[in-house]
This record gives sequence, structure tokens and C-alpha cells, in this order.
Amino acid sequence: GQNIDQPTEMTATEGAIVQINCTYQTSGFNGLFWYQQHAGEAPTFLSYNVLDGLEEKGRFSSFLSRSKGYSYLLLKELQMKDSASYLCASADSNYQLIWGAGTKLIIKP
Amino acid sequence: IAGITQAPTSQILAAGRRMTLRCTQDMRHNAMYWYRQDLGLGLRLIHYSNTAGTTGKGEVPDGYSVSRANTDDFPLTLASAVPSQTSVYFCASSRSGGADTQYFGPGTRLTVL
Repeated sequence: GQNIDQPTEMTATEGAIVQINCTYQTSGFNGLFWYQQHAGEAPTFLSYNVLDGLEEKGRFSSFLSRSKGYSYLLLKELQMKDSASYLCASADSNYQLIWGAGTKLIIKP
Repeated sequence: IAGITQAPTSQILAAGRRMTLRCTQDMRHNAMYWYRQDLGLGLRLIHYSNTAGTTGKGEVPDGYSVSRANTDDFPLTLASAVPSQTSVYFCASSRSGGADTQYFGPGTRLTVL
């Protein structure tokens, strides 16, 4: 079956670094997406990885290991506005996105 | 309009009633999608359309229907609403049906009593 696993909730301190992990099992693989979703709002795109390695975009970086079925999102210099849910999604062989339930990130001052 | 709009923002509906959720995009994207989001679960694909005139079933299509008469509009219809269809519904679009970034509308919060 198809499955995406990510932690339900994480807590971190303002200014710190946090890593949100995601493991995936899908029928075929056409890339791994990360989205951010603030409470009561729509998901917004953060990153896309299809090749192994680290992609850096400002304070956010995303890593992919295809052989391990594993990705992580790294958030540096955390700000209070980073408090949100972070959604991991894998594109399967039909390019349909299979979504994880999301990781709720709580930032404390 | 810029991006994707959805209507209504929220709705309370009696079980058994018919309801159409509207979705319009102005980005000239070929692909459009309908998802539902329930607490503790990931977004689940209901139906999709890779181009105007074609539609396909997603993971949870039962009880829902869609049409794609033109590029911009992708309405979702609940023929006879049931309480288990209480959810937040998101419409999304992408340039193509491949692994392109999906852009989401603001969502419709639907409660079926």
C-alpha cells in the first residue's frame, strides 16, 4: 500500500533549528513535496525534490534519499510565524500526490 | 481574480441535500484537483482533471462528481450529502498533470447535519 509517515507534532524554540522527517512508500516515485499550512488556511508550496541530496532555499532546506524512502525539511533561525503544519507528499507513478497527515510545529519564545 | 477562488467559504447542509462547491482559477493551468482534509488525516484526492474535457477518480470519489467544461472552472457536486462528507474541501491547480507544483484555493468548510 501507499503510506507517508511524519511526526504528529514537534516543539522548538524561536531562533533554533528543527528537522521534520518524512518516510514514504508509494507505488512508483516522481518526487517529494513539502507544503506549509497555517491554521485555517490553504497549503502553500515550500519545496520539491526528485534527486537525492539537499536543496537549500533561504532558511528552509529539504533533503531526499530515494534509496531509503526518506526526506526531511530543515528550518533554521526559527521565527514565530513558522508555527504551522508541514505537509509531506510523494508523487506516485501516476503523478498523484499521496499526503502525510502533517506535522504541527509549535514555536516557543 | 488572482489564483484560485472557491465558493462558498463555508456551508451547513442538511443530509440528503445536493450541493455544488465552486472552484475557479485564472492561471490557465491545465490540471485541477479536489481534495478533502480531515483532522488527523492527510489530504485525500477526490477527483482530478488533467485537461479541460477530461476527469478522473482519486482516492475517495464515492458520493462526489465533477465536470470540467472549460479550463478555468472545476465544480464539485455532492448529489446527496451525508454526515461523513463533513470536511474542509480544497481545490488546487497545476500547470500540468505531472509533478508540478499545486496551488490551492482557500478552501470550503462543509458541515452536513
